[in-house]
Amino acid sequence: DAGVTQSPTHLIKTRGQQVTLRCSPKSGHDTVSWYQQALGQGPQFIFQYYEEEERQRGNFPDRFSGHQFPNYSSELNVNALLLGDSALYLCASSSLLLAGSDQETQYFGPGTRLLVL
Amino acid sequence: DAKTTQPPSMDCAEGRAANLPCNHSTISGNEYVYWYRQIHSQGPQYIIHGLKNNETNEMASLIITEDRKSSTLILPHATLRDTAVYYCIVRLHNTNAGKSTFGDGTTLTVKP
Repeated sequence: DAGVTQSPTHLIKTRGQQVTLRCSPKSGHDTVSWYQQALGQGPQFIFQYYEEEERQRGNFPDRFSGHQFPNYSSELNVNALLLGDSALYLCASSSLLLAGSDQETQYFGPGTRLLVL
Repeated sequence: DAKTTQPPSMDCAEGRAANLPCNHSTISGNEYVYWYRQIHSQGPQYIIHGLKNNETNEMASLIITEDRKSSTLILPHATLRDTAVYYCIVRLHNTNAGKSTFGDGTTLTVKP
């Protein structure tokens, strides 16, 4: 049973560029959440996707956008990159279709390390 | 989501029990307590969760106080590989508001 996978593992961009990160949820999960983790801090919630729609959003600007596909995989897009966007980007999956069960537990992927120069 | 408070760091001797406390005094009745750990910038690893009752699995035990305002994660026989940052969070179930609010966690160092 494959867990949450993310690609790429590492990425280097320059200021002003755009980046797309990808996430495949754990088998049986239908909900994907994205988090940003700066060095030395806990993960910060960006947004959550369910049924191909953004359901919840944290305190992040519109430069951060996402998408969920019919197969439940998801992309995180960041436009006009800033130096401060350098971080570990984490994807977590869970199941709302099986709400009320332990499938609501969020499982995290290994993350994508983004460096903006 | 309710916020949590954890000590920034703790040490534990290898083979001894590690007891990690968490305060969540503003937890609401339908919020669960979750524990994750993160080893050297890998993705957070799920450990255990509970609502009211104490829970135990192959990794750890979770003790939740009767008023649910605090909890303790117990690693019964800590090993060097348990050195990590441990996060205690509270979050809702059965709703689209499933986001998790992380604090800075507790850095547990297991020493030989």
